[in-house]
This record gives sequence, structure tokens and C-alpha cells, in this order.
Amino acid sequence: AQSVTQLDSQVPVFEEAPVELRCNYSSSVSVYLFWYVQYPNQGLQLLLKYLSGSTLVESINGFEAEFNKSQTSFHLRKPSVHISDTAEYFCAVSAGNFNKFYFGSGTKLNVKP
Amino acid sequence: EAQVTQNPRYLITVTGKKLTVTCSQNMNHEYMSWYRQDPGLGLRQIYYSMNVEVTDKGDVPEGYKVSRKEKRNFPLILESPSPNQTSLYFCASSLSQGSPEAFFGQGTRLTVV
Repeated sequence: AQSVTQLDSQVPVFEEAPVELRCNYSSSVSVYLFWYVQYPNQGLQLLLKYLSGSTLVESINGFEAEFNKSQTSFHLRKPSVHISDTAEYFCAVSAGNFNKFYFGSGTKLNVKP
Repeated sequence: EAQVTQNPRYLITVTGKKLTVTCSQNMNHEYMSWYRQDPGLGLRQIYYSMNVEVTDKGDVPEGYKVSRKEKRNFPLILESPSPNQTSLYFCASSLSQGSPEAFFGQGTRLTVV
């Protein structure tokens, strides 16, 4: 079975500062990795995903994540955050046939002016 | 516009009164699923469906029922709701069993008193 650990439940940060949201997973098989974002009172939106190929993946709004197989991690980073990045971020893994996503407990990113 | 639509968005009900949360997708997706989101626990899968008339239990199916009579609809039924089913519920759909991306509805916030 797979499991996902998001080490920080809340991350406060000032605008224009860099941020890293940590995600570690455990699995006995190869996995596919995702970050979803949930803005207040909205559903989940796919932010970025790693399926294969380059271990560094990027989103259109400046986030990036790097798949590190040896450390079983998929940390999310952004070099300079904006107020509009305030949201809850979920790391998720899926194995094999994508039947099921295993989600972490979420990290609330609070960007302050 | 491609979307997953859930109704209602908010619902307060009393213990034991049967209710149905509807979910509809307009993307002709084969795979649909239901999750519940609870603070500190992330999202946990309740039920999923790989196609019409094909459903199976997820991680937390107790107290819930589903049906998949049409490809676009996947209602979640609570025959006798209890307070421990107070939660935020999300419906999701994917193109097929092997698709890496899931599309989520806006969520239904259910309170059982």
C-alpha cells in the first residue's frame, strides 16, 4: 500500500519569499506523484504531476517539484510567492492503474503582505 | 466547459434522514470516485466506479452507497446519516482507469446533527 506524509500542516511566509512544501511517500512499487491545490471554498485543481521522464516538473504559475526516488520525496517549491498563492496544497500518489489516489493531510500556505 | 458538478454545495440534515449527493461530469469519463476530506486526514476514498454498473469500495465505504446507472452520473447515498459523516465530500472523474489526472467537483459540505 502507499502512504503520503506532508510534514507541515501550516506554512506562513511573506510575499516574494521562497517557499518549500514537503512531501514524502512510501510505496513498494513505482508511483506517480501529484500536487493539487485547493483555494478557499473551491475544489481541487491539479498543479503539477510526475509520471516519468525528467524528475523536475513545473507548473504554469511558477511552482516546481522534484521527484527524488532515493529519498522518496516530491517537495514543492516556488522561488517567490504571491498573495494569490494562499491555499491548501495536497500531495498525492497513485500506483499502477491510477484507480486510487492516496492524499497527504495537506499543507496550508498562508502568504502575508 | 469541462466540469464535475456536485449538488448540493451545502447541506445540514438530521441523524437518520436519508440523503443523496449528486455528481455529474460532462467529459464522458469512465472512471468516477467519491472522497471525503477531514481536517488532518487529507482525502480518503469512499467508493469508485470504473464504468456503468461497475462500482467498488474504497478505504472508508461504511455508511455509504453509490450507483452508476449512467456514465455521467455517480450519486452518493447516505441511507441513515450519522454525525461522524459530517465532512466535506468531493466527487472526481478521470478519462479511464489508466488516466493520470483526476478532475474534482467543488465539494459538498455536509453537517449531520
